[in-house]
Amino acid sequence: SQQGEEDPQALSIQEGENATMNCSYKTSINNLQWYRQNSGRGLVHLILIRSNEREKHSGRLRVTLDTSKKSSSLLITASRAADTASYFCATDATGGATNKLIFGTGTLLAVQP
Amino acid sequence: EAQVTQNPRYLITVTGKKLTVTCSQNMNHEYMSWYRQDPGLGLRQIYYSMNVEVTDKGDVPEGYKVSRKEKRNFPLILESPSPNQTSLYFCASKYQGTYTFGSGTRLTVV
Repeated sequence: SQQGEEDPQALSIQEGENATMNCSYKTSINNLQWYRQNSGRGLVHLILIRSNEREKHSGRLRVTLDTSKKSSSLLITASRAADTASYFCATDATGGATNKLIFGTGTLLAVQP
Repeated sequence: EAQVTQNPRYLITVTGKKLTVTCSQNMNHEYMSWYRQDPGLGLRQIYYSMNVEVTDKGDVPEGYKVSRKEKRNFPLILESPSPNQTSLYFCASKYQGTYTFGSGTRLTVV
C-alpha cells in the first residue's frame, strides 16, 4: 500500500493539554501536508512543509519533518474542545505518475472540555 | 471567497441509475482531482486533470468517468452506479502544491 501510517489511531486529551500525532510515509516527497476533518465533513488544509524544511509553525500548530526517517509529527498546543476532529497527513510525492496526495490513515483526536 | 463547490452534498440513488456529481472552483486552478473516502481504506484518488481536456486515471477509476471541458468544472460521472460506490467523495483543486477540497458528497447506492 502507498498509504502512510499515522500514530496513534485515536487520542483523547483534556482541554489545555498538547496533542502530538505522528505520520510515517514510504516514498520520496516534494512536500507533506496536514489536514483536519470534522466528522464526515470536508478536509481543511492546516499546514504544508516542504521536503527541504525541518520544522514549521502556524499558530498553535507545529510540524516537523524528518525525511531520513520518512516521518512527520503534528503538535497542537493548548488544545481546545473545538480541535476535536480527525487529522490526516498527506504526501505529495516525487517522480513517476504521482499527481496526487497520498493520505495517511488518520488520527482521531478527542479533546475533553 | 476562494472555494471548491460540490453538489449535491447528499445523494441516495438506486443501482444502475446514471448520476453526476458536480465540482466547480473559482480560483482558476489548472489541476483538479476526485477522491473517495472509505472506512479503513482512507482517501484514494479516482481521477485527476492537469488542465482543460487533459484527464487521467487515479488509483480507483473503475466505474467512473470525468470530463474537463472548461477550467472551473470537473464533474464526476457514474454511468451505472453500484453499491460498492457508496462512499464520501471529495473534489479538489491544487495550486503550487496546496490543495483546496470541497465539502464532500455523501453518496449511497442501494
